[in-house]
Amino acid sequence: RKEVEQDPGPFNVPEGATVAFNCTYSNSASQSFFWYRQDCRKEPKLLMSVYSSGNEDGRFTAQLNRASQYISLLIRDSKLSDSATYLCVVIADTGRRALTFGSGTRLQVQP
Amino acid sequence: GAGVSQSPSNKVTEKGKDVELRCDPISGHTALYWYRQSLGQGLEFLIYFQGNSAPDKSGLPSDRFSAERTGGSVSTLTIQRTQQEDSAVYLCASSDLGEQYFGPGTRLTVT
Repeated sequence: RKEVEQDPGPFNVPEGATVAFNCTYSNSASQSFFWYRQDCRKEPKLLMSVYSSGNEDGRFTAQLNRASQYISLLIRDSKLSDSATYLCVVIADTGRRALTFGSGTRLQVQP
Repeated sequence: GAGVSQSPSNKVTEKGKDVELRCDPISGHTALYWYRQSLGQGLEFLIYFQGNSAPDKSGLPSDRFSAERTGGSVSTLTIQRTQQEDSAVYLCASSDLGEQYFGPGTRLTVT
């Protein structure tokens, strides 16, 4: 079983739609959680950190459920520029803080 | 300021040859990571450097892979006797123990 699992998609949605991505992680000792965005043939960039209390950044809302080892990302009012691959990321080892990535969920927002 | 830079951006090599990939981290960042992204796979951790501590090599896939970081700054990832399965994008990231910032990667193709 992979340490971080995501639905690979693709999710094809019209502009303005609300879309949700889910992710599960296997290591209950994981300490930190993130969503990264990766555009085609580009490096990953941090979208937002994820906290148990839930956090929002504009049109983006992230949620963490430690009991279920489940992370979500909600994108409201999708824009064409949101088209990318969204990577669910955890840090299990607080010492080296290496990132463990899911394989990503591809989003395509259509006009 | 300048971000993480990597060179070369693309490298095509013949099976069995050695290659060196270079990473210039953000100035002042004490932590440096190498990751690999293979086609159809997620990003996987390779090696971690923190200050003057011994590197964490636990992610290196075989003894053909090695890395060094000179003077706590520039890092070189060396792959000896390259194999076709080494074809991937090799990404370097640096951090000051907060967010990891990724370089643009080196796309390695082994023919």
